[in-house]
Amino acid sequence: SQTIHQWPATLVQPVGSPLSLECTVEGTSNPNLYWYRQAAGRGLQLLFYSVGIGQISSEVPQNLSASRPQDRQFILSSKKLLLSDSGFYLCAWSPRGHRENTQYFGPGTRLTVL
Amino acid sequence: QKEVEQNSGPLSVPEGAIASLNCTYSDRVSQSFFWYRQYSGKSPELIMSIYSNGDKEDGRFTAQLNKASQYVSLLIRDSQPSDSATYLCAVNVYSGNTPLVFGKGTRLSVIA
Repeated sequence: SQTIHQWPATLVQPVGSPLSLECTVEGTSNPNLYWYRQAAGRGLQLLFYSVGIGQISSEVPQNLSASRPQDRQFILSSKKLLLSDSGFYLCAWSPRGHRENTQYFGPGTRLTVL
Repeated sequence: QKEVEQNSGPLSVPEGAIASLNCTYSDRVSQSFFWYRQYSGKSPELIMSIYSNGDKEDGRFTAQLNKASQYVSLLIRDSQPSDSATYLCAVNVYSGNTPLVFGKGTRLSVIA
């Protein structure tokens, strides 16, 4: 069966510090991968998605970036965090090329920027 | 702009009642439809998917799809306090690799 991991689970960072969040998927090959952010009490905001190694689509212009160095690894980064970057960061995967494109979420990383 | 609309709630129902959650979507070519449940502080989990017009039942959950009206709903029978959560509707507008479009969710509160 497929499993999706995210770490760290929680993170408290000062404004202006760098960020690196990691997501890995087990039990499948060539997944589509997604990064979402959910601000407190708000809906899901799609940040990036990837259909393959090195292929990243950005949905929202901001100070975040994403990379996919390996087939089942997706990394979210920032060089300098802003207060507004606080939120719940969710990684998700879906099977490549499936018509339905069902998405499955990881456990999330709760980021607080102070 | 592809949109998925949900009433934000809260929707309060007594324990044992039927909870009805509704969702409308803007794009007629939408292919697949999903309901996710999100408990406070947790990530969304898939509870139902539906692809064809009509009803699909899974235990206490029934998803209903009406493509002509661009409407999808989720019924929860015999609601329990453990069903209290935010329910997210999601739509796959195109086949294949494009991301789902999510609604903002409806918060359900089941009162014991």
